[in-house]
Amino acid sequence: QKEVEQNSGPLSVPEGAIASLNCTYSDRGSQSFFWYRQYSGKSPELIMSIYSNGDKEDGRFTAQLNKASQYVSLLIRDSQPSDSATYLCAVKGWSYDKVIFGPGTSLSVIP
Amino acid sequence: DTEVTQTPKHLVMGMTNKKSLKCEQHMGHRAMYWYKQKAKKPPELMFVYSYEKLSINESVPSRFSPECPNSSLLNLHLHALQPEDSALYLCASSPEGGNVGNQPQHFGDGTRLSIL
Repeated sequence: QKEVEQNSGPLSVPEGAIASLNCTYSDRGSQSFFWYRQYSGKSPELIMSIYSNGDKEDGRFTAQLNKASQYVSLLIRDSQPSDSATYLCAVKGWSYDKVIFGPGTSLSVIP
Repeated sequence: DTEVTQTPKHLVMGMTNKKSLKCEQHMGHRAMYWYKQKAKKPPELMFVYSYEKLSINESVPSRFSPECPNSSLLNLHLHALQPEDSALYLCASSPEGGNVGNQPQHFGDGTRLSIL
């Protein structure tokens, strides 16, 4: 059973702080990793993709991947109230034509 | 604004009605997906079309019937739904189809479906 797990929420951080979201996956064959942001009542929005070990930065967002530990994380620097949303970790492997979503972590940024 | 367009945005129907959800993308993507999402849960895959052929059916009840008329369009036909089918229905697309590819999926805004 291919599974994706995320740190349980809700996660609350003060405005301006760093929010750290974590995700682990069970399938060692996984090749592609995605972070989606979903506001309440809206559809998921892709914010980061990462495919290789290491860090990938895009503005205030940094994704980190460690395939040996089967771990992927998302750091949000200088968190803003507008970052308050549910963050979904998604994992895809070469051997199957679908993305496996984690349960999501709810983030609340307190002004 | 999303490049995957879903209509209608909201749909209320009775259990004996027949309706259809529509999804359209003009990005040249070759894979299209239907997801169902209940409140506070992640999207749950229903169907995958790859190069206009159904490649994955996640044991979805037959009251949901997908159709892919061409590479840009995806429909979901609904008939005799149950109240527990009330959910947000999401369409997504990705560039590659088949068992290869590593590109992410791009979601439409979804259709909020309520079954009376």
